[in-house]
This record gives sequence, structure tokens and C-alpha cells, in this order.
Amino acid sequence: EAQVTQNPRYLITVTGKKLTVTCSQNMNHEYMSWYRQDPGLGLRQIYYSMNVEVTDKGDVPEGYKVSRKEKRNFPLILESPSPNQTSLYFCASSSVTVAGGLDNEQFFGPGTRLTVL
Amino acid sequence: AQSVAQPEDQVNVAEGNPLTVKCTYSVSGNPYLFWYVQYPNRGLQFLLKYITGDNLVKGSYGFEAEFNKSQTSFHLKKPSALVSDSALYFCAVRDRADKLIFGTGTRLQVFP
Repeated sequence: EAQVTQNPRYLITVTGKKLTVTCSQNMNHEYMSWYRQDPGLGLRQIYYSMNVEVTDKGDVPEGYKVSRKEKRNFPLILESPSPNQTSLYFCASSSVTVAGGLDNEQFFGPGTRLTVL
Repeated sequence: AQSVAQPEDQVNVAEGNPLTVKCTYSVSGNPYLFWYVQYPNRGLQFLLKYITGDNLVKGSYGFEAEFNKSQTSFHLKKPSALVSDSALYFCAVRDRADKLIFGTGTRLQVFP
């Protein structure tokens, strides 16, 4: 089954304790992205990656890191989490066109609800 | 700057009645528009998209959307609502940098 998986689904942590949220897709998609969803703000992009070893900042990258060492995986790293990073996080992936752009819809993971105390 | 607006936080409709969830956009050039749905405790699911062609786009679960260039709108519609359609709906536009810009979401509540 084609899917995007995220782990963990729920996480409660404390300020300053490094954490990683994993994301994996089995569709051989070049493009992967991380979003955070907050009430009244919709989804905002944190980081994205057009392919292996190619990552770029989205709208709200502060406090986050990503890596893309393999095509299928795109982990989100919070080196020193703070309470304002309490949110619902989504990973997404998509194929790209021959020309290198995104024409297609993105496939989303089930979400990771993070609480930073 | 590219943007998407969903003017209604919530839409209430009785089962069996038609529903409309509104979306307007602002983008340079030709817009690539999307609708996604989020059920409770689930990720976003793709409903439909407009890239080019017919202004009326049909998607999953009986939903459709009408692209109106002059009004810069892309409203989501369904002729007959179901209770199971109750969810959070997001409109999105792809900007020139291939980034998806999402609206703030509209909660659809369908009452029996």
C-alpha cells in the first residue's frame, strides 16, 4: 500500500530535550516536505526536499533541522525543543514532473502530535 | 504574494442539502489549485485539483470544485451532503516555487 508513515504519532517531551520525528514514504517520490498545523493558521511549511541531499527552508524553519540521506526518509529534528513548537506535524511527499516541477498532489502522513512542556 | 483565503471557519449544512465551501486565491500566473480533507486524527487526503482545462473539476467522494478566474475563486461543492462528510477542508495553491500554500481551513459540519 502506497503510504507516508510518521513516528511517533504522539510525543510529550520537555524543553531542550532533542528529538527526531521520522518520516518514510514507499512511493519513490522525489519531493518531501514537513508542515506544522496550528489552529487558525492552517498548514505552514517548515522544510522541504526536492531530492536526496537537497533541502530548503519553508516558511517557518527556525528551530528545526532536516536531512535527506535516502530518497524514502526525511526526518525532522528539533535540537532544543521549546513550548512554541507544540503542534501537529505532517510529513508529505510527491512526485515531480520531467521538467522538475510539482504537478501532482501531495500525499500526507497521519501526523505527529508534539507537546513540549 | 501568493495567498489563499477561506472566509468561513465553519459551514453547517443538513444532510441531503447541497454544500459549498469557499476559497479565493491570489497568485501570479496560472494557478494550480487543490482541495484536501482532514478527518479527525488523520492526515490530509487529496480531494481534487485544478491545473488546466475544464473549470468544473470532479474529485473523490462526490465532491467537485468550480474554478472561476474572474472571481479568483475555487469553491468546493457537493450536491447532497452526508454526515460522513463532516471534516476539516483545506484549499491550497501551488506557487511559482512549487510550494503549497494552504488556507486556514473550514470545518464542515453536516447534521442528520
